Amino acid sequence: AQSVTQLDSQVPVFEEAPVELRCNYSSSVSVYLFWYVQYPNQGLQLLLKYLSGSTLVKGINGFEAEFNKSQTSFHLRKPSVHISDTAEYFCAVTTLSGGSNYKLTFGKGTLLTVNP
Amino acid sequence: KAGVTQTPRYLIKTRGQQVTLSCSPISGHRSVSWYQQTPGQGLQFLFEYFSETQRNKGNFPGRFSGRQFSNSRSEMNVSTLELGDSALYLCASSLQAPNEKLFFGSGTQLSVL
Repeated sequence: AQSVTQLDSQVPVFEEAPVELRCNYSSSVSVYLFWYVQYPNQGLQLLLKYLSGSTLVKGINGFEAEFNKSQTSFHLRKPSVHISDTAEYFCAVTTLSGGSNYKLTFGKGTLLTVNP
Repeated sequence: KAGVTQTPRYLIKTRGQQVTLSCSPISGHRSVSWYQQTPGQGLQFLFEYFSETQRNKGNFPGRFSGRQFSNSRSEMNVSTLELGDSALYLCASSLQAPNEKLFFGSGTQLSVL
């Protein structure tokens, strides 16, 4: 079974500062990794995903993430945040084996608050 | 193209009642997944359907059930409601499987009194 740990439940930052949201996963088989964002009173939207290939993945709104297999991590970064980036961010994993690829396992989320 | 539509948006029920939530996926999407979201537990997987077949199920009691129709629309049902069932229920669709891009609805906020 796979699992995801988001190491910070809340991350406050100032506008235009860089940010890193941390995610570690656990799985005994190859994985697909995702970051989703949830704005208030909305569903989730995909920011980026890693399936294979280059370990540095670029997503929407200037976000990027790096897959590190040896550290089983998939941290999300943005060099300069805006007020509009305030939202909850979820890391998710699925595997390629059996029925597990028919579900995403999500972390508990990191609330990013960008202050002026 | 219309997004994922969930109805109703808000629902208030009392303990012991049952409830049915509806989800209309994006046109052409055949995979529909359901998640329960609570502040304490985050997003918990309920089940996933493809072509009217349940392919995977999460660790929820049998009071939680679902189905998918031939037009890919899906419903989930919760019987004998408990206070702990209060949550945001999210539906998501994708073309073939959740390991592609998932498109989420805005959810149904269920309150059990």
